[in-house]
Amino acid sequence: DARVTQTPRHKVTEMGQEVTMRCQPILGHNTVFWYRQTMMQGLELLAYFRNRAPLDDSGMPKDRFSAEMPDATLATLKIQPSEPRDSAVYFCASGRIGAGTGVGGELFFGEGSRLTVL
Amino acid sequence: AQSVSQHNHHVILSEAASLELGCNYSYGGTVNLFWYVQYPGQHLQLLLKYFSGDPLVKGIKGFEAEFIKSKFSFNLRKPSVQWSDTAEYFCAVIHGSGNTGKLIFGQGTTLQVKP
Repeated sequence: DARVTQTPRHKVTEMGQEVTMRCQPILGHNTVFWYRQTMMQGLELLAYFRNRAPLDDSGMPKDRFSAEMPDATLATLKIQPSEPRDSAVYFCASGRIGAGTGVGGELFFGEGSRLTVL
Repeated sequence: AQSVSQHNHHVILSEAASLELGCNYSYGGTVNLFWYVQYPGQHLQLLLKYFSGDPLVKGIKGFEAEFIKSKFSFNLRKPSVQWSDTAEYFCAVIHGSGNTGKLIFGQGTTLQVKP
């Protein structure tokens, strides 16, 4: 069964520390999304990539967050320095979307990385 | 800006009751529409999707949704809920041409089914 894999599943860190979350999308998917889920804000889109190129990261605090896709099998989301308000579950999702795929849009989600910043 | 609105934030039903969760979106062009479900402690999973064709879409576990273009709505329904349907439900929309479409989620509706 193909699945989106995220690591770490849980992370507890102290304010000011760097946090890196990793995602392995499903092979053949051309689009990768990073979402953040909190009780207050629900699911927020942070950034997404199409064919490894960043398309939109307007949902991400640029001063501390960065998202990259160094190759087709790895997407990373980094927070530096982390703050308590970053505590959330971060989901990665992948899918086949865009020209030649009929727009598409069905996403497959990873299990999430639960981040707690003390 | 494009948005997705889910009218009910928290719904409590007894088993066998009928369910309808509202979803409206703001984009006027071509859209693909989805309902995702998140069971407690789990990741999001696809319930059903609408791309084109019959506006009444059947999904898994007895769920269905109706796309009403004139109302910009995609409401989720189930005739008789079960305790195992307790979960959070998200409506989502993707729009845009070419390679730029992005998937936007509503705020979610928490459904609690009492046995």
